[in-house]
Amino acid sequence: GESVGLHLPTLSVQEGDNSIINCAYSNSASDYFIWYKQESGKGPQFIIDIRSNMDKRQGQRVTVLLNKTVKHLSLQIAATQPGDSAVYFCAENTPNGANSKLTFGKGITLSVRP
Amino acid sequence: DADVTQTPRNRITKTGKRIMLECSQTKGHDRMYWYRQDPGLGLQLIYYSFDVKDINKGEISDGYSVSRQAQAKFSLSLESAIPNQTALYFCATSEGGLGTQYFGPGTRLLVL
Repeated sequence: GESVGLHLPTLSVQEGDNSIINCAYSNSASDYFIWYKQESGKGPQFIIDIRSNMDKRQGQRVTVLLNKTVKHLSLQIAATQPGDSAVYFCAENTPNGANSKLTFGKGITLSVRP
Repeated sequence: DADVTQTPRNRITKTGKRIMLECSQTKGHDRMYWYRQDPGLGLQLIYYSFDVKDINKGEISDGYSVSRQAQAKFSLSLESAIPNQTALYFCATSEGGLGTQYFGPGTRLLVL
């Protein structure tokens, strides 16, 4: 079946280093992808998105890369800070007429060491 | 002020009780969603609504019902709560088409 998954359940990085969080998706028809950040006790927060006609998009300290050939999505966080500690998960949008579906991955915990 | 609000934020109830979780949004979005999140798992879609007259079942709708009272309000009911409905519940909204979903702060529900 279709699935959105993350390769690693946890990621520990040193403060100041760059972080790379990976996501695999299996539906080649997906046309839009989103990265969310969820801090403890809060709802998921939009970080950055990318459409399938792009392979890279940059935000403030974050970059999303999309490789449609291998159905892989990654989130890069530059100069990781303690405030970046959270669960991160990707979501893919699969078009279906007016009823497009957003499927979420399980999430990966990013832990920033001081 | 938060764009998507949920009440209550925390709730403890007993098996068999009926409870309602409420969601309000000021984003002006037509689409609203209810999800549950269990520890270590992703978000599972319970119900969604594309406008006031449109209600659709999600992946795990059994045991739940919803009401879209207005464009800005979407409530989730557990008719007869059971312990395996203990979870974190999120409401979300989006615009039509390729719309990023914006989430509320969540309601933590414990069913004893």
